[in-house]
Amino acid sequence: EDKVVQSPLSLVVHEGDTVTLNCSYEVTNFRSLLWYKQEKKAPTFLFMLTSSGIEKKSGRLSSILDKKELFSILNITATQTGDSAVYLCASAFSFGNEKLTFGTGTRLTIIP
Amino acid sequence: GAGVSQSPSNKVTEKGKDVELRCDPISGHTALYWYRQRLGQGLEFLIYFQGNSAPDKSGLPSDRFSAERTGESVSTLTIQRTQQEDSAVYLCASSHRVLTEAFFGQGTRLTVV
Repeated sequence: EDKVVQSPLSLVVHEGDTVTLNCSYEVTNFRSLLWYKQEKKAPTFLFMLTSSGIEKKSGRLSSILDKKELFSILNITATQTGDSAVYLCASAFSFGNEKLTFGTGTRLTIIP
Repeated sequence: GAGVSQSPSNKVTEKGKDVELRCDPISGHTALYWYRQRLGQGLEFLIYFQGNSAPDKSGLPSDRFSAERTGESVSTLTIQRTQQEDSAVYLCASSHRVLTEAFFGQGTRLTVV
């Protein structure tokens, strides 16, 4: 069965700290890995990764994929209280079935 | 529209009643997903539509759950004879056939009392 596992389940840090969130996957016909941020109801898209070793960056957030070891990390530097959210990782398959399988998420809390 | 639209945003229903949730995907997106998220938990896959292909219904938890989609537009998720364990936020997402980044609606919070 395809699955996505995220760690840690929750993380509490002080404002200004740097955090690393982990996502490992076991999927057949892997196509891409996606990161989302969920603050209230709707997850908002952050990154989509398809190739190993190529870092995607947006401001203080960055992410990279390792297709050999089947994992991805999401880094957030100089954290702010607005970064507090649940961060979700999802994998997508190929060959006509782009169903997204989500991990249970990492709840990040930034203390002022 | 500019984004994925879901209605209603909130629904309170009595146990045993049927409910219908609606999702309007982003125009041109051929893929549409329904997920369920219980309080404090992750996203649970329910059903996936891709163009005119047969939907992937593997995530529907029971035969009380069904979903339809008209072509590449609106989808409705129907829950019959609702139970208290059906209480959750139901999220809809859509994506383009080639790109797999999915965009989510704001969800419908269903409360069964």
